[in-house]
Amino acid sequence: NAGVTQTPKFRVLKTGQSMTLLCAQDMNHEYMYWYRQDPGMGLRLIHYSVGEGTTAKGEVPDGYNVSRLKKQNFLLGLESAAPSQTSVYFCASTSGGKGHTEAFFGQGTRLTVV
Amino acid sequence: GNSVTQMEGPVTLSEEAFLTINCTYTATGYPSLFWYVQYPGEGLQLLLKATKADDKGSNKGFEATYRKETTSFHLEKGSVQVSDSAVYFCARITQGGSEKLVFGKGTKLTVNP
Repeated sequence: NAGVTQTPKFRVLKTGQSMTLLCAQDMNHEYMYWYRQDPGMGLRLIHYSVGEGTTAKGEVPDGYNVSRLKKQNFLLGLESAAPSQTSVYFCASTSGGKGHTEAFFGQGTRLTVV
Repeated sequence: GNSVTQMEGPVTLSEEAFLTINCTYTATGYPSLFWYVQYPGEGLQLLLKATKADDKGSNKGFEATYRKETTSFHLEKGSVQVSDSAVYFCARITQGGSEKLVFGKGTKLTVNP
């Protein structure tokens, strides 16, 4: 059982370049999330989705876009990367409902923007 | 609001020492509360949870009790091991709409032999 898989695991971008991070889950979860993790800041929610075809902004959405065309995939896009987007990105998913479901996380993507 | 405040680290202990990591939350009701753990180079994984007031979550020797009087969910372990070295995150579910996890800033624990 793969759980939540993120690709790529590492990436270096130049300022202004674009890229897409892919998150895939095989647990038939309704809810999916993208977080970024920075030293001293914990995890901050970028965007999330409560079902196929839906997306919503989180705490720090600027500079990012997302899409959830298929239930199992949640894509995070950077249209024009900036050094401030250097971070570790985590995808997570939950089955949703009743407010006490466990979140499953991917292994993370370490992105450096130079 | 929907926030979580946890004690900042880093915390360094010797093996078999007692561990407490404090966590408090703001809420207008009784949100579900969680502790997640992140081992080096990995994603987060659920350590324990509590879904209502006075519940006690426990796992791998760790415990946390949901205390509504003090709006707290402190993590404790009676005797830590070197393998417990990790970053610990307190989290809660937001209220009033879609289900989002809000995390504290994390506490890095290092246990020395």
